[in-house]
Amino acid sequence: ELKVEQNPLFLSMQEGKNYTIYCNYSTTSDRLYWYRQDPGKSLESLFVLLSNGAVKQEGRLMASLDTKARLSTLHITAAVHDLSATYFCAVGIILIQGAQKLVFGQGTRLTINP
Amino acid sequence: EAGVAQSPRYKIIEKRQSVAFWCNPISGHATLYWYQQILGQGPKLLIQFQNNGVVDDSQLPKDRFSAERLKGVDSTLKIQPAKLEDSAVYLCASLPRLKRPQETQYFGPGTRLLVL
Repeated sequence: ELKVEQNPLFLSMQEGKNYTIYCNYSTTSDRLYWYRQDPGKSLESLFVLLSNGAVKQEGRLMASLDTKARLSTLHITAAVHDLSATYFCAVGIILIQGAQKLVFGQGTRLTINP
Repeated sequence: EAGVAQSPRYKIIEKRQSVAFWCNPISGHATLYWYQQILGQGPKLLIQFQNNGVVDDSQLPKDRFSAERLKGVDSTLKIQPAKLEDSAVYLCASLPRLKRPQETQYFGPGTRLLVL
């Protein structure tokens, strides 16, 4: 059974600091997705990573994928309060029919304090 | 473009009662997903449809959960009878095309279910 593990599960940091969220998964896949979820809201897509070494950046967030290590990272640079949310990684698994299903990690709850 | 619509947004029922959730995906999206998100956890896929056919329902508790997608558009998810552990947010998501990994799923606002 595929396991997707995020680390840390809870993260409290100060504005202006840098930090990294890690996403480890237990099976071969070259498809990794990052989502953001605000309290009481649905999931918003952040990044789609589709190959080994893929790197995507949007504002203060940068995501990368190492398929050989089965590891993705989400790096936060000079955090601001607006980035407070829960962040999920999800691994794409190909089904027999060629369709894809996503298996999500537990989420990392990020709180950024002034 | 209108997003994924779900109703109701909130539902409170007693255990052993039945409940149904409705989802209307983004127009033209062929693939539809139902997820269960228990508080403090990531979403777990319950069932995936391609048009009106089931692609994956391996994690759907079929003794109490059922889902259908008539005419390949709207979908309903039903729980009968509900248990306390079914308390969760039920998310619906849709995807434009099945085999394009660069596309991401679009999620609806969810239905928050509380079973007492």
